[in-house]
Amino acid sequence: DIQMTQSPSSLSASVGDRVTITCRASQGITNYLAWYQQKPGKVPKLLIYAASTLQSGVPSRFSGSGSGTDFTLTISSLQPEDVATYYCQKYNSAPPTFGPGTKVDIK
Amino acid sequence: EVQLLESGGGLVQPGGSLRLSCAASGFTFSSYAMSWVRQAPGKGLEWVSAISGTGGNTYYADSVNGRFTISRDNSKNTLYLQMNSLRAEDTAVYYCAKDPHNNGWSYYYFDYWGQGTLVTVSS
Repeated sequence: DIQMTQSPSSLSASVGDRVTITCRASQGITNYLAWYQQKPGKVPKLLIYAASTLQSGVPSRFSGSGSGTDFTLTISSLQPEDVATYYCQKYNSAPPTFGPGTKVDIK
Repeated sequence: EVQLLESGGGLVQPGGSLRLSCAASGFTFSSYAMSWVRQAPGKGLEWVSAISGTGGNTYYADSVNGRFTISRDNSKNTLYLQMNSLRAEDTAVYYCAKDPHNNGWSYYYFDYWGQGTLVTVSS
């Protein structure tokens, strides 16, 4: 099975900072990559699919890029409401696999 | 508005069984594949099982294959997960999750999630 890794595992940044999270697949997955946001005590929310397509209703400060094995999620200007754990997930084939998550908080 | 409401969680002894339900509304249920995804306390997300829109195709994670059975009743707009031979490591919040595409096939990513139901396996 394809394994997903994320870095960093956690980060602390100031409001307005540009934040980048990296996700790596152990094998190529073309662009079958989604990103989710899970706020504390809440349900996961789809942010991005197909590596770079923003889900409807998601603020434009979120963006995704990459293909093959290396992907990034960028928050262009961190806001207090972005405090959450972010998960990448590959879905090119079963089993769909999530990364371990990156916890983002405000400095 | 899409709504997914899970039920059926609770405390069960190791080796026991439990059936989870997920009542869906706000979309044409039979047109969408559905999945169960779990999250152990303080841990990450783990996909458990998926089912096509018709119910004719099912898929399982290795960790539950042979112990869990996914099914659906499209006349009742309800998804199920029958869990047998439960183990301590099955303790988690179980979410039902909807596939984004309306052709009934599993694309294995999820645009709507229920609130989850907690399953605790302990003696």
